[in-house]
Parts: sequence; structure tokens; C-alpha cells
Amino acid sequence: AQTVTQSQPEMSVQEAETVTLSCTYDTSENNYYLFWYKQPPSRQMILVIRQEAYKQQNATENRFSVNFQKAAKSFSLKISDSQLGDTAMYFCAFMKHVGGGKLIFGQGTELSVKP
Amino acid sequence: KAGVTQTPRYLIKTRGQQVTLSCSPISGHRSVSWYQQTPGQGLQFLFEYFSETQRNKGNFPGRFSGRQFSNSRSEMNVSTLELGDSALYLCASSPRQGTGEQYFGPGTRLTVT
Repeated sequence: AQTVTQSQPEMSVQEAETVTLSCTYDTSENNYYLFWYKQPPSRQMILVIRQEAYKQQNATENRFSVNFQKAAKSFSLKISDSQLGDTAMYFCAFMKHVGGGKLIFGQGTELSVKP
Repeated sequence: KAGVTQTPRYLIKTRGQQVTLSCSPISGHRSVSWYQQTPGQGLQFLFEYFSETQRNKGNFPGRFSGRQFSNSRSEMNVSTLELGDSALYLCASSPRQGTGEQYFGPGTRLTVT
């Protein structure tokens, strides 16, 4: 069975600074997807970034980038130039490549961006 | 394009009752997945439907069921409600099964008293 672990329940960062959220996972699959989702307070879940395991290049989306270490089963999210609107719960998630459709989520990291 | 819509947004039910939640996916999306979100258990996968067939199922009792219609709209039903069923129920749609990207709706907040 696959598991996803986020070891930082809460984090805070000053506006305009950089923060890194950690995620590790366990799987025996070779092909899979990894995601970071953002859930702002009382608002809906938004996909932040996606990584396909067979791609060695780390995914980036504007101020968001990942550090994907397949051998270490690590998938961290870096947020550069943090903005107040980045305040949210961030979830790391895993999906098998074959027979997918089921996201397995970590417990989440609550990020507060302070002015 | 309109996003994923879920109705109702809020619901209060009594123990022992049953409830039906509805989800309309993004136009053109054929896969719908359901998740339960609680403070204690986090986000847990309930089931996935694609082309009106259940493709994946999570570890929930048989009181939780779902279905998908030919227009890809989906419903989930919970019978004999328990206090522990109080949760935010999230629906997510995807253009194809197993492609990875899922787009979430705002959720239905169910409170069981």
C-alpha cells in the first residue's frame, strides 16, 4: 500500500521570503504521479503542481517548484517570493500511473504567510 | 468553463437518516472521484467513477455508495448515518481516468446530529 507523509503540520514564512514544504512517500510502484494541492481557508482545493515519476526534471509553475528525489522517495515544494494569498493548507498527494484515479493524500501542512 | 459543482453545499442530518450528495464535473470530464475530509482522518478516497462504472473503491463500509450517470454527473449516497460521517465531502473530476490531474469542487459539508 502507498503512504504519504508530511512531517510539518504547521509552518510560517514572512512575505516575499522562500519556504520549503516536505513530503515523503512509500510505494513499490515505478510509475506514478505526485501532486501538491492547496486548500485556502474555507475555499476549495486547487492543484498547484504535478510531477510524473518517469520525468527526472523537476516541475515548476511560476513561483512554485518541486525537488523530486525518486530514490529517496521525497517530493518537496518550494514557494518563492511568498505572498499573503499563499496562506493555506498544502497537501502532498500520490497517484498510481496504472489504474489510477485514486489520490492518496498526506496529512497536510498549514502554511501561514505573515506580512 | 464552469468548474466542478456540488450540491447541496451544507447539510444537517440526524443519525439513522440517509443522504444523497450530487456532483457535476467540468464539461467534457468523464471521471469523477469522491473524497471524505475530516480533521482526524484527513482526506480519504471513497470511490471513482468513469463511464458510469465504478473503477476504484476506498476502504469505506457498504453504507457509502455512488453512481454516475450518462452525462458524467455523479451522486453519492450514505445510508444509516452515523455521527462519524460528519465531514466535508469533496468531488473531483478528471478528463480521463488515471491521468493524474483532478479538479475539485467546493465540497458538501455534512453534519450528522
